[in-house]
Amino acid sequence: GESVGLHLPTLSVQEGDNSIINCAYSNSASDYFIWYKQESGKGPQFIIDIRSNMDKRQGQRVTVLLNKTVKHLSLQIAATQPGDSAVYFCAENGGNQAGTALIFGKGTTLSVSS
Amino acid sequence: DVKVTQSSRYLVKRTGEKVFLECVQDMDHENMFWYRQDPGLGLRLIYFSYDVKMKEKGDIPEGYSVSREKKERFSLILESASTNQTSMYLCASRKTGPTAGAQYFGPGTRLLVL
Repeated sequence: GESVGLHLPTLSVQEGDNSIINCAYSNSASDYFIWYKQESGKGPQFIIDIRSNMDKRQGQRVTVLLNKTVKHLSLQIAATQPGDSAVYFCAENGGNQAGTALIFGKGTTLSVSS
Repeated sequence: DVKVTQSSRYLVKRTGEKVFLECVQDMDHENMFWYRQDPGLGLRLIYFSYDVKMKEKGDIPEGYSVSREKKERFSLILESASTNQTSMYLCASRKTGPTAGAQYFGPGTRLLVL
């Protein structure tokens, strides 16, 4: 069964708002997590990652938060823009250290209206 | 800049045809993967390869085979295409080991089997 999932399949925000996309994982052995963005008709694109020795990591306009206690991962997008409209996936490594396949959630569709 | 390329963006084939999908990565990654992506089903792993000439079945290998003769190239073969193999096919690569980071995806091949 799937061990990575998202709380909401869709999220609609206004341009300029901050967006928060959530993900719950069930494999406590996972120690590496990634967020991907997939635009329509394209392949998933790496956004940001975090290892389990961190609680927070920031990129350009994006922040990933990891709460290992409740097995929760979130992606925060600051000042959301229409170009941020896409499907966002979280992924985990299931504790696998060999670099083999990640485990993906089904995704949240973010719609940004201007 | 990391790069995963796929031989075709769109393909139209007839039932029973043999179909080859090719993927090339320029990151010297050991691991390569083939997924299919269907609405509501997310990313499903078909096959992966952790080294040249090595392959492992993923979650849905039936009706597919793969070939990895060179490190940078991973081919997916549909021996006899069927309409239920109409899908978006995504190739990815990832380095191996405990410091393995993200999987990097190609742009995808949208296959229509008539």
